[in-house]
Amino acid sequence: AQTVTQSQPEMSVQEAETVTLSCTYDTSESDYYLFWYKQPPSRQMILVIRQEAYKQQNATENRFSVNFQKAAKSFSLKISDSQLGDAAMYFCAYSRGNKLVFGAGTILRVKS
Amino acid sequence: GAVVSQHPSWVICKSGTSVKIECRSLDFQATTMFWYRQFPKQSLMLMATSNEGSKATYEQGVEKDKFLINHASLTLSTLTVTSAHPEDSSFYICSAHEAGLAGYTFGSGTRLTVV
Repeated sequence: AQTVTQSQPEMSVQEAETVTLSCTYDTSESDYYLFWYKQPPSRQMILVIRQEAYKQQNATENRFSVNFQKAAKSFSLKISDSQLGDAAMYFCAYSRGNKLVFGAGTILRVKS
Repeated sequence: GAVVSQHPSWVICKSGTSVKIECRSLDFQATTMFWYRQFPKQSLMLMATSNEGSKATYEQGVEKDKFLINHASLTLSTLTVTSAHPEDSSFYICSAHEAGLAGYTFGSGTRLTVV
Protein backbone atom coordinates (compact mmCIF):
# COMPACT_ATOMS: atom_id res chain seq x y z
CA ALA A 1 0.00 0.00 0.00
CA GLN A 2 1.11 3.51 -0.68
CA THR A 3 2.15 5.60 2.31
CA VAL A 4 2.98 9.27 2.68
CA THR A 5 5.17 10.53 5.52
CA GLN A 6 5.47 14.07 6.76
CA SER A 7 8.07 14.06 9.50
CA GLN A 8 7.55 17.62 10.71
CA PRO A 9 4.42 18.00 12.86
CA GLU A 10 5.02 21.74 13.19
CA MET A 11 7.21 24.35 11.55
CA SER A 12 7.69 28.07 12.13
CA VAL A 13 8.94 30.72 9.76
CA GLN A 14 9.50 34.43 10.02
CA GLU A 15 7.48 36.58 7.68
CA ALA A 16 9.33 37.15 4.36
CA GLU A 17 11.63 34.19 5.02
CA THR A 18 11.72 30.82 3.25
CA VAL A 19 10.59 27.51 4.69
CA THR A 20 10.71 23.95 3.39
CA LEU A 21 8.22 21.27 4.32
CA SER A 22 9.31 17.66 3.92
CA CYS A 23 7.42 14.74 2.46
CA THR A 24 8.44 11.23 1.53
CA TYR A 25 6.29 8.52 0.05
CA ASP A 26 6.44 4.87 -0.71
CA THR A 27 5.22 3.32 -3.93
CA SER A 28 6.23 0.71 -6.44
CA GLU A 29 4.51 2.54 -9.30
CA SER A 30 6.30 4.69 -11.84
CA ASP A 31 3.44 6.90 -12.92
CA TYR A 32 1.55 8.87 -10.29
CA TYR A 33 0.74 12.35 -9.06
CA LEU A 34 1.88 14.20 -5.98
CA PHE A 35 0.13 17.14 -4.38
CA TRP A 36 0.50 19.70 -1.65
CA TYR A 37 -2.73 20.93 -0.11
CA LYS A 38 -3.17 23.79 2.32
CA GLN A 39 -5.85 23.75 5.00
CA PRO A 40 -6.26 27.14 6.72
CA PRO A 41 -8.35 27.61 9.87
CA SER A 42 -11.48 27.67 7.69
CA ARG A 43 -10.65 24.00 6.99
CA GLN A 44 -11.23 24.42 3.25
CA MET A 45 -8.73 22.25 1.40
CA ILE A 46 -6.82 24.32 -1.15
CA LEU A 47 -4.55 22.88 -3.82
CA VAL A 48 -1.13 24.50 -3.60
CA ILE A 49 0.82 22.61 -6.22
CA ARG A 50 0.76 19.39 -8.22
CA GLN A 51 3.57 17.31 -9.70
CA GLU A 52 3.31 14.58 -12.28
CA ALA A 53 5.84 11.84 -11.64
CA TYR A 54 6.87 11.42 -15.24
CA LYS A 55 7.85 15.08 -15.44
CA GLN A 56 11.38 15.72 -14.25
CA GLN A 57 10.92 19.45 -14.01
CA ASN A 58 9.92 20.65 -10.58
CA ALA A 59 6.51 22.32 -10.41
CA THR A 60 6.30 25.98 -9.43
CA GLU A 61 3.36 28.19 -8.55
CA ASN A 62 4.40 31.73 -7.71
CA ARG A 63 6.05 31.60 -4.25
CA PHE A 64 5.56 27.85 -3.98
CA SER A 65 7.91 25.33 -5.52
CA VAL A 66 8.70 21.68 -5.02
CA ASN A 67 11.85 19.62 -4.97
CA PHE A 68 10.81 16.32 -6.50
CA GLN A 69 13.36 13.54 -6.15
CA LYS A 70 11.75 10.50 -7.73
CA ALA A 71 14.49 8.01 -6.94
CA ALA A 72 14.54 9.09 -3.32
CA LYS A 73 10.73 9.27 -3.24
CA SER A 74 10.91 12.73 -1.78
CA PHE A 75 8.60 15.67 -2.50
CA SER A 76 9.36 18.76 -0.44
CA LEU A 77 7.54 22.09 -0.63
CA LYS A 78 9.40 25.37 -0.50
CA ILE A 79 7.53 28.54 0.39
CA SER A 80 9.43 31.72 -0.42
CA ASP A 81 8.72 35.18 0.98
CA SER A 82 6.38 33.70 3.58
CA GLN A 83 3.25 35.67 4.35
CA LEU A 84 0.92 35.63 7.33
CA GLY A 85 -1.74 34.11 5.10
CA ASP A 86 0.46 31.08 4.55
CA ALA A 87 -0.19 29.94 8.12
CA ALA A 88 -2.11 26.70 7.81
CA MET A 89 -1.84 22.95 7.95
CA TYR A 90 -0.13 21.54 4.87
CA PHE A 91 -0.77 18.05 3.58
CA CYS A 92 1.33 16.11 1.13
CA ALA A 93 -0.68 13.62 -0.93
CA TYR A 94 -0.08 10.84 -3.43
CA SER A 95 -2.42 9.68 -6.16
CA ARG A 96 -2.49 6.88 -8.64
CA GLY A 97 -5.74 5.93 -10.18
CA ASN A 98 -8.38 8.00 -8.49
CA LYS A 99 -7.63 7.75 -4.79
CA LEU A 100 -5.66 10.28 -2.74
CA VAL A 101 -3.44 9.17 0.14
CA PHE A 102 -2.56 11.92 2.60
CA GLY A 103 0.32 12.43 4.95
CA ALA A 104 -0.25 13.37 8.58
CA GLY A 105 0.19 17.07 7.90
CA THR A 106 2.52 19.85 9.01
CA ILE A 107 1.25 22.89 10.88
CA LEU A 108 3.01 25.98 9.58
CA ARG A 109 3.15 29.05 11.81
CA VAL A 110 4.23 32.39 10.39
CA LYS A 111 5.70 34.95 12.78
CA SER A 112 5.38 38.66 12.12
CA GLY B 1 -12.42 26.58 -11.84
CA ALA B 2 -14.09 23.47 -10.52
CA VAL B 3 -16.32 24.02 -7.50
CA VAL B 4 -17.76 21.53 -5.06
CA SER B 5 -20.57 22.67 -2.80
CA GLN B 6 -21.04 20.84 0.49
CA HIS B 7 -24.09 21.38 2.64
CA PRO B 8 -24.70 21.92 5.48
CA SER B 9 -21.54 23.53 6.77
CA TRP B 10 -22.45 22.61 10.32
CA VAL B 11 -25.17 20.60 11.97
CA ILE B 12 -26.13 19.66 15.50
CA CYS B 13 -28.34 16.65 15.98
CA LYS B 14 -29.66 14.55 18.81
CA SER B 15 -28.25 11.13 19.52
CA GLY B 16 -30.16 8.45 17.65
CA THR B 17 -31.23 10.62 14.75
CA SER B 18 -29.90 10.57 11.19
CA VAL B 19 -28.13 13.36 9.36
CA LYS B 20 -27.65 13.79 5.62
CA ILE B 21 -24.75 15.70 4.11
CA GLU B 22 -24.80 16.69 0.44
CA CYS B 23 -21.90 17.18 -1.91
CA ARG B 24 -22.48 18.71 -5.34
CA SER B 25 -20.10 19.37 -8.19
CA LEU B 26 -21.33 22.64 -9.66
CA ASP B 27 -19.58 22.96 -12.98
CA PHE B 28 -18.27 19.53 -13.85
CA GLN B 29 -19.31 15.92 -13.80
CA ALA B 30 -17.79 14.02 -10.92
CA THR B 31 -17.42 10.39 -11.88
CA THR B 32 -15.99 9.66 -8.47
CA MET B 33 -16.60 11.29 -5.12
CA PHE B 34 -14.79 10.67 -1.87
CA TRP B 35 -15.86 11.10 1.72
CA TYR B 36 -13.36 11.86 4.45
CA ARG B 37 -13.49 12.27 8.18
CA GLN B 38 -11.10 14.58 9.98
CA PHE B 39 -10.42 15.02 13.68
CA PRO B 40 -8.84 18.26 14.96
CA LYS B 41 -5.23 18.70 13.91
CA GLN B 42 -5.21 15.34 12.18
CA SER B 43 -5.12 14.20 8.61
CA LEU B 44 -8.06 13.33 6.40
CA MET B 45 -9.15 9.75 6.78
CA LEU B 46 -10.82 8.29 3.71
CA MET B 47 -14.12 6.70 4.59
CA ALA B 48 -15.46 5.65 1.22
CA THR B 49 -15.29 6.11 -2.52
CA SER B 50 -18.46 6.45 -4.52
CA ASN B 51 -18.92 6.09 -8.25
CA GLU B 52 -22.03 7.33 -9.99
CA GLY B 53 -24.64 4.63 -10.28
CA SER B 54 -22.83 1.98 -8.28
CA LYS B 55 -22.37 1.02 -4.68
CA ALA B 56 -19.80 2.85 -2.62
CA THR B 57 -16.55 1.19 -1.66
CA TYR B 58 -15.84 1.56 2.04
CA GLU B 59 -12.45 1.62 3.68
CA GLN B 60 -11.61 -0.99 6.25
CA GLY B 61 -13.17 -0.28 9.60
CA VAL B 62 -15.90 2.03 8.28
CA GLU B 63 -19.40 0.76 8.97
CA LYS B 64 -21.32 0.88 5.72
CA ASP B 65 -24.68 0.53 7.47
CA LYS B 66 -23.92 3.53 9.61
CA PHE B 67 -22.47 5.76 6.92
CA LEU B 68 -24.77 5.43 3.93
CA ILE B 69 -23.44 6.87 0.72
CA ASN B 70 -25.48 7.51 -2.40
CA HIS B 71 -24.10 8.79 -5.68
CA ALA B 72 -27.23 8.93 -7.79
CA SER B 73 -26.02 11.41 -10.38
CA LEU B 74 -22.77 12.75 -11.79
CA THR B 75 -23.13 15.91 -9.73
CA LEU B 76 -24.47 14.74 -6.38
CA SER B 77 -23.31 12.42 -3.65
CA THR B 78 -24.81 12.19 -0.19
CA LEU B 79 -23.52 10.84 3.10
CA THR B 80 -26.10 9.88 5.68
CA VAL B 81 -24.96 9.25 9.23
CA THR B 82 -27.59 6.94 10.62
CA SER B 83 -28.46 6.62 14.30
CA ALA B 84 -25.79 9.16 15.15
CA HIS B 85 -23.94 8.99 18.45
CA PRO B 86 -21.62 11.50 20.11
CA GLU B 87 -18.58 9.57 18.88
CA ASP B 88 -19.69 10.33 15.32
CA SER B 89 -19.09 14.02 15.99
CA SER B 90 -16.39 15.09 13.58
CA PHE B 91 -15.59 17.13 10.50
CA TYR B 92 -16.67 15.46 7.26
CA ILE B 93 -15.26 16.52 3.90
CA CYS B 94 -16.17 15.41 0.40
CA SER B 95 -14.09 15.69 -2.72
CA ALA B 96 -14.85 15.11 -6.36
CA HIS B 97 -12.75 13.77 -9.16
CA GLU B 98 -13.43 14.43 -12.82
CA ALA B 99 -12.61 11.55 -15.15
CA GLY B 100 -9.51 12.12 -17.22
CA LEU B 101 -8.14 14.84 -15.02
CA ALA B 102 -5.64 14.56 -12.22
CA GLY B 103 -7.25 17.09 -9.96
CA TYR B 104 -9.45 16.74 -6.92
CA THR B 105 -11.81 19.44 -5.73
CA PHE B 106 -12.88 19.57 -2.12
CA GLY B 107 -16.07 20.73 -0.49
CA SER B 108 -15.88 23.16 2.41
CA GLY B 109 -16.67 20.46 4.96
CA THR B 110 -19.43 19.77 7.47
CA ARG B 111 -18.96 19.98 11.20
CA LEU B 112 -21.25 17.42 12.80
CA THR B 113 -21.98 17.59 16.51
CA VAL B 114 -24.12 14.88 18.07
CA VAL B 115 -25.56 15.72 21.48
